[in-house]
Amino acid sequence: EAGVAQSPRYKIIEKRQSVAFWCNPISGHATLYWYQQILGQGPKLLIQFQNNGVVDDSQLPKDRFSAERLKGVDSTLKIQPAKLEDSAVYLCASSLEAEPQHFGDGTRLSIL
Amino acid sequence: SQKIEQNSEALNIQEGKTATLTCNYTNYSPAYLQWYRQDPGRGPVFLLLIRENEKEKRKERLKVTFDTTLKQSLFHITASQPADSATYLCALPLSGGYQKVTFGTGTKLQVIP
Repeated sequence: EAGVAQSPRYKIIEKRQSVAFWCNPISGHATLYWYQQILGQGPKLLIQFQNNGVVDDSQLPKDRFSAERLKGVDSTLKIQPAKLEDSAVYLCASSLEAEPQHFGDGTRLSIL
Repeated sequence: SQKIEQNSEALNIQEGKTATLTCNYTNYSPAYLQWYRQDPGRGPVFLLLIRENEKEKRKERLKVTFDTTLKQSLFHITASQPADSATYLCALPLSGGYQKVTFGTGTKLQVIP
């Protein structure tokens, strides 16, 4: 089966600019996650979707981060405006009910 | 507060030896624990899940133990190979759902030929 697809792989922007990441989960996976992974740390959950509804966004900095999952399939994560501390890898994962998560290879974001 | 601890120092081991990685947690009573592997520039890949009522789980050269009294999981790779070099992450469930997990910082394993 095809894995979780993410794009772009790399993105470099200046602070205060906006950026968007795209994720296509594994077909049939109802649950989709966005994680932030700062260098040397484990992934930190930002938001979890079940189909096209948000299950948990308690750790999403809502003043600058937003995410949506239209039609319960693809998802986008946006940062506006970006800060220097947002430099990280943004990982998308998907899963079936009560199954472990499958991760994409992430988008590496650098803020100048 | 809930905390997961993995040895942040890299573990260097000679090829053919058994590598043992540790995951300690506090203020948790997890129903299960997961181990993932992450290669540079890649996303984590799920390896094993062990439930609270299981003492040990094996998959090929991998073995995981789960001691709920010590609040510790050990992850063993027997007959280690250079291809096993990677960062290994443990993950425990967050409250509120089976599918949400929180990750440790990971331990980098280097297998030396």
